Amino acid sequence: AQSVTQPDIHITVSEGASLELRCNYSYGATPYLFWYVQSPGQGLQLLLKYFSGDTLVQGIKGFEAEFKRSQSSFNLRKPSVHWSDAAEYFCAVGAKNTDKLIFGTGTRLQVFP
Amino acid sequence: DTAVSQTPKYLVTQMGNDKSIKCEQNLGHDTMYWYKQDSKKFLKIMFSYNNKELIINETVPNRFSPKSPDKAHLNLHINSLELGDSAVYFCASSLTGVGDFLFGSGTRLTVV
Repeated sequence: AQSVTQPDIHITVSEGASLELRCNYSYGATPYLFWYVQSPGQGLQLLLKYFSGDTLVQGIKGFEAEFKRSQSSFNLRKPSVHWSDAAEYFCAVGAKNTDKLIFGTGTRLQVFP
Repeated sequence: DTAVSQTPKYLVTQMGNDKSIKCEQNLGHDTMYWYKQDSKKFLKIMFSYNNKELIINETVPNRFSPKSPDKAHLNLHINSLELGDSAVYFCASSLTGVGDFLFGSGTRLTVV
């Protein structure tokens, strides 16, 4: 079955600390992988995506993610978190011939000063 | 300028009523979507349209009917609203149709 797991429901970090949000997927075809961010009361914004090629992808706002096929993972990282990064983060998986995305249940990030 | 706009932002209504949510995108994208986000923040696709043609129709009660008068608009009409329909509904559009979506800011529907 196709699924996306984000094991951490809630993460709290101090401003300036590094961040890693975990994402594991189960997908039959070659996956297309995405990270979205949702600020309170807002829609989702695409942070980055992986289709093929270099397994380390750079996104907006200083985020990056690494695709590890052997671990079925696509973890999101940021070296130094800013207070404005506090939001809900969603990992999603899709495929080449479908525009149907399967989303994870999200990880809520809190940032303390 | 807002790229994907939804109206209304909030909608409170009684059970049994019929309501519509409107969505418009000014990006020239061919594909538009409706997603539902429940109280636990779980997002699930409901419908997708490509250039006014229905592409994805997930297992949604037939009380929900999307309508796309042109490729820039995708409206969602809901008949006989039920308590369980309370959620945030997001419209989105995509140029490539492979998951890099632009979302609207959502419509929070509350059925009382």
